[in-house]
Amino acid sequence: AQSVAQPEDQVNVAEGNPLTVKCTYSVSGNPYLFWYVQYPNRGLQFLLKYITGDNLVKGSYGFEAEFNKSQTSFHLKKPSALVSDSALYFCAVRDWNAGNNRKLIWGLGTSLAVNP
Amino acid sequence: EPEVTQTPSHQVTQMGQEVILRCVPISNHLYFYWYRQILGQKVEFLVSFYNNEISEKSEIFDDQFSVERPDGSNFTLKIRSTKLEDSAMYFCASSENSNQPQHFGDGTRLSIL
Repeated sequence: AQSVAQPEDQVNVAEGNPLTVKCTYSVSGNPYLFWYVQYPNRGLQFLLKYITGDNLVKGSYGFEAEFNKSQTSFHLKKPSALVSDSALYFCAVRDWNAGNNRKLIWGLGTSLAVNP
Repeated sequence: EPEVTQTPSHQVTQMGQEVILRCVPISNHLYFYWYRQILGQKVEFLVSFYNNEISEKSEIFDDQFSVERPDGSNFTLKIRSTKLEDSAMYFCASSENSNQPQHFGDGTRLSIL
């Protein structure tokens, strides 16, 4: 069964420091992996995706994520955090071997707090 | 940048009543989705829709739920007889094709009294 785990409910980091938000996944085939961000009272905003190709993918607002097949991980990173990055971050996976199955399976989310 | 828009932003309904949640997907997108997020819980897939028919649905999407694309722009989710446990944030999403990212609206908060 497909699943996504975000092991940290909350991550706290000082402004200017690097940040990492962790995600591990489980699919039977090859994964499509996504990161979304949710600001208060807003929808889910796409940040970046991995489908094939380079393991390091770059996305919006200076975020990047590294696909690690052996560790089944797709951690979100940013070299220098901003206070405005404070939000809820969701990792999602889709199994691209699953034919017409296009649904995204979501992690529980990680609340990122960047302190000034 | 094109956006998915959802109306209303907040819907309050008596238990047992029908409710229709409305979405306008991005205009050149072909795939449409509904998800829900109960407070404090995971985002859950409800249904996907392509070529005027449901392509996949979850076990949550029972006979009380239906979706429709009544014209070229709207995509609606109907709950026929609402229950207290239907209270959640409902998100609509659309994508250009099945491999592109899904773009989400801001959601409709549904409160069942």
